[in-house]
Amino acid sequence: QAQLLQSGAEVKKPGSSVKVSCKASGGTLNSYAISWVRQAPGHGLEWMGGLITIFGPAKYGQKFQGRVTITADEPTNTAYMELTSLRSDDTAVYYCARIQGASVFYNLGLDVWGQGTMVTVS
Amino acid sequence: QSVLTQSPSPSGTPGQTVTISCSGSSSNIGANAVNWYQQVPGAAPRLLISGATQRPSGVPDRFSGSKSGTSASLAISGLQSEDEADYYCAAWDDNLNGYVFGAGTKVTVL
Repeated sequence: QAQLLQSGAEVKKPGSSVKVSCKASGGTLNSYAISWVRQAPGHGLEWMGGLITIFGPAKYGQKFQGRVTITADEPTNTAYMELTSLRSDDTAVYYCARIQGASVFYNLGLDVWGQGTMVTVS
Repeated sequence: QSVLTQSPSPSGTPGQTVTISCSGSSSNIGANAVNWYQQVPGAAPRLLISGATQRPSGVPDRFSGSKSGTSASLAISGLQSEDEADYYCAAWDDNLNGYVFGAGTKVTVL
């Protein structure tokens, strides 16, 4: 059974960067189809972007264009999300999730989720 | 402000049926599949319904989804205490070229 294990909590200064990892176990990253979603305290879910390697480069949400980079390392079965120029309102739990069926338009949804990584910007 | 508008938080007693609606447009729900997620406090979201109506393995058949035009609904029948959670609809938006979530709806079991 596929599982996604994320790196631990981070505390960052404003203006710095954070890189969160997401390692797949019990299976592959489904042709490296990974999305990143964040949730600020007391708020809802917000899509940041996703990578389906067989279909080319990552796509990013308009809000995060220019600040986020999503990559995947095939040999280690690990995906990464790097967010730069951090601000206090980037304080959130960051989740990686598998795009089921590597569906370009997420028609089958995000079926496997990591446990979340708390990033605090202060 | 999300492009997917979810109905206000419903409440119900055990055994009742509650319904959550999700309204979108021709660029998201009208053009692409709708997914529903359940999130209990302190936990990661869980895929509840994919492709508007399909339940992944392990999801009870008390949960059902439907879609009509630019709107979708999630029904929870035979409400149970463990169904108390936040529920989110989501769909790809062709105009935004991204995946969008509704603001979420909290279901309370009285």
